[in-house]
Amino acid sequence: GENVEQHPSTLSVQEGDSAVIKCTYSDSASNYFPWYKQELGKGPQLIIDIRSNVGEKKDQRIAVTLNKTAKHFSLHITETQPEDSAVYFCAATFNTNAGKSTFGDGTTLTVKP
Amino acid sequence: DTEVTQTPKHLVMGMTNKKSLKCEQHMGHRAMYWYKQKAKKPPELMFVYSYEKLSINESVPSRFSPECPNSSLLNLHLHALQPEDSALYLCASSQDSWKLFFGSGTQLSVL
Repeated sequence: GENVEQHPSTLSVQEGDSAVIKCTYSDSASNYFPWYKQELGKGPQLIIDIRSNVGEKKDQRIAVTLNKTAKHFSLHITETQPEDSAVYFCAATFNTNAGKSTFGDGTTLTVKP
Repeated sequence: DTEVTQTPKHLVMGMTNKKSLKCEQHMGHRAMYWYKQKAKKPPELMFVYSYEKLSINESVPSRFSPECPNSSLLNLHLHALQPEDSALYLCASSQDSWKLFFGSGTQLSVL
């Protein structure tokens, strides 16, 4: 089955700096890679996703890059703000089966004001 | 309305109790899911309903019993739980099986 490794497990940055979280996956058949943000006391929220037919996707301060050859994908957050502090999960899945996504173990991001 | 609503937010139950968790979505999504999440861990898939029919059961113990009364509602019936079942139970829905929309979860404590 699919295996997703996520690094780092914790990340602390100063407000205004950039943050990068990296994930690697094992199953070359995976073709959908979402990122979720989970704030304390809330459920995960999809913040950005990418399909295997593109290499990069951007949404305001958030971007995701995908390298299919190396089987890794990354989340980039620029101009971080305190409200970006949360746990971030990457995931990988095959075809139209988001519910069976394999999640990474999560990264706790702390943005210091 | 882009929300998945879960009730109750918190639940404490004894090992002999019977309780139910409820989930509702009004986005017209065709698939609904139950996940279990332990502290500092990613969500683990329990059940998937597609078009109101159970399509995936991830070998979940029978003390957890899902029910999908209609396309907007999803229940999880709990009976004779163990303390290790204490966790955050998340409901999610999706329309196209690509994007998951999660509720805020029910924090369950089994005493």
